[in-house]
Amino acid sequence: DAMVIQNPRYQVTQFGKPVTLSCSQTLNHNVMYWYQQKSSQAPKLLFHYYDKDFNNEADTPDNFQSRRPNTSFCFLDIRSPGLGDTAMYLCATRNPDGKEKLFFGSGTQLSVL
Amino acid sequence: RKEVEQDPGPFNVPEGATVAFNCTYSNSASQSFFWYRQDCRKEPKLLMSVYSSGNEDGRFTAQLNRASQYISLLIRDSKLSDSATYLCVVIAQGAQKLVFGQGTRLTINP
Repeated sequence: DAMVIQNPRYQVTQFGKPVTLSCSQTLNHNVMYWYQQKSSQAPKLLFHYYDKDFNNEADTPDNFQSRRPNTSFCFLDIRSPGLGDTAMYLCATRNPDGKEKLFFGSGTQLSVL
Repeated sequence: RKEVEQDPGPFNVPEGATVAFNCTYSNSASQSFFWYRQDCRKEPKLLMSVYSSGNEDGRFTAQLNRASQYISLLIRDSKLSDSATYLCVVIAQGAQKLVFGQGTRLTINP
């Protein structure tokens, strides 16, 4: 059974139209991550939560916001998507002991038209 | 300089060959190291952790060289199903942030 679930699997939106991607987990992990991966590039960390403690990467655009209402759920809001935001968005969770692996969701492929 | 660097390839090798690639990291405080495999349009999946003494899992061998700050992955007797992108991941001591390399694309040819 999937332990990190992302919805939707594919999302198409128009330039400037807000979009929300969701992630849920059944692992009860403290740490949740959002990564952006463009074609042929490494996953790039946007932000992460340690419990409710939000950590934004310095180069994450203000256009990207996140919410974590409880341990199980995390949302990525893109307020005004641009063409350059077309990418795979990966949610991942982890236990914060420094050695546990990341558990990834299957990702949401976002296309901005 | 990128925190984690990999040769993006592509590496094209015949089935049955042995192939190896490296990943260098710039942060000497890095503590945990992993190799992930990613198939096209899929999420990364853990291939193996990398331990200080080196470790082996079947046809796969991972090694860590702290002095030169790199990790390596060796694949023996390569199979067609090994075709994928291989990502190295590094975590600094006490950090929650996992840093990915760009990935090395590997194609095994029949």
